[in-house]
Amino acid sequence: EPEVTQTPSHQVTQMGQEVILRCVPISNHLYFYWYRQILGQKVEFLVSFYNNEISEKSEIFDDQFSVERPDGSNFTLKIRSTKLEDSAMYFCASKRLAIPLDTQYFGPGTRLTVL
Amino acid sequence: EDKVVQSPLSLVVHEGDTVTLNCSYEVTNFRSLLWYKQEKKAPTFLFMLTSSGIEKKSGRLSSILDKKELFSILNITATQTGDSAVYLCAVNSGNTPLVFGKGTRLSVIA
Repeated sequence: EPEVTQTPSHQVTQMGQEVILRCVPISNHLYFYWYRQILGQKVEFLVSFYNNEISEKSEIFDDQFSVERPDGSNFTLKIRSTKLEDSAMYFCASKRLAIPLDTQYFGPGTRLTVL
Repeated sequence: EDKVVQSPLSLVVHEGDTVTLNCSYEVTNFRSLLWYKQEKKAPTFLFMLTSSGIEKKSGRLSSILDKKELFSILNITATQTGDSAVYLCAVNSGNTPLVFGKGTRLSVIA
């Protein structure tokens, strides 16, 4: 069964460094999302992406964050200058159709630790 | 502001027990409510509910939605240790992102 994949599974970085988290959505999916979950807290939406552009973003998704779909398969989240509070699990999700009722499927997550 | 509230926040039961997890919501433009199971990492999709009163069932898990009272329940019968996880409720308001509750942490002990 097709699934969303993410790499790396765990990334440790120093504060102020740039990180790129990678996701490969399910191949025929059209909508892509990034969420994060700080330890012990709820899953929070960061950004959605459709038709090669951001369709919506939350207040968390400030100028330090950017997303890209550099080729037909990868979807990346870049954090330019990491802060301690960026430490979290980052989940990528995708859904097939551009209709509201379609289900989002989540990847296994990348645990980002900022020291 | 859209809101999803789950209760209880955590629950410990013995194998064989039946549990009911609750999710209430306040959202504009409700489209669907989703239940996910989160074990170590990624939320795994369980159910999507769009219509009131129609039970969705998968093995020992079932769920139902009440759009008038704005809540959903997830039932697990004859619980097993493998059911131990965080169960997440999320609401879809169209193409806007999912709004998640904090989850219910279920621990099933042998």
